[in-house]
Amino acid sequence: EIVLTQSPATLSLSPGERATLSCRASQSVSRYLAWYQQKPGQAPRLLIYDASNRATGIPARFSGSGSGTDFTLTISSLEPEDFAVYYCQQRSNWPPYTFGQGTKLEIK
Amino acid sequence: QVQLVESGGGVVQPGRSLRLSCAASGFTFSSYGMHWVRQAPGKGLEWVTVIWYDGSNKYYADSVKGRFTISRDNSKNTLYLQMNSLRAEDTAVYYCARDLGIAVAGRGWFDPWGQGTLVTVSS
Repeated sequence: EIVLTQSPATLSLSPGERATLSCRASQSVSRYLAWYQQKPGQAPRLLIYDASNRATGIPARFSGSGSGTDFTLTISSLEPEDFAVYYCQQRSNWPPYTFGQGTKLEIK
Repeated sequence: QVQLVESGGGVVQPGRSLRLSCAASGFTFSSYGMHWVRQAPGKGLEWVTVIWYDGSNKYYADSVKGRFTISRDNSKNTLYLQMNSLRAEDTAVYYCARDLGIAVAGRGWFDPWGQGTLVTVSS
């Protein structure tokens, strides 16, 4: 089973700042990595798939990069609605599909 | 618009059974793989199971293998999760989610998700 480790656990930033979230895989997942956003009381929402493809309707301030074992989600300029929990997920070696433990992006 | 609506959650005693449903609309249900993903209270996301678009293949997480069964009725646009021998650790919000696409390139990415249904296993 591929283990995904996200860092940091919590990221405190202010609106307008740049956010950089990391996800590291226990073995190579090629580019088969996705990012999801989850707000309190809501279902997750797909942001990025195949490491760098934005899902439909996702603003351009969200971007993904990386391959192999190291991946990054970047939010170029934080909007108030971006404060949430973010999860990475792999589909390279399944079952099972696995998720990281999440990074909470909170307002500083 | 694409919509997934789960139902069937509730409080159940350990060892008992429960069946969840997920009603799909706004897309050709019979063309897409479907998943169940769960989230224990205050915890992260755990993939549970997937069923192919035609029901021909099903895969499970080890934590539920032999106890849970995924199925679908394409004539009713509905996905199911039969949960038997429930344990306290099965307590979670259960989400159904669709594969992003019908081609291989779109499988294994979850989009969209339903709003979830809470299952509580407690005596």
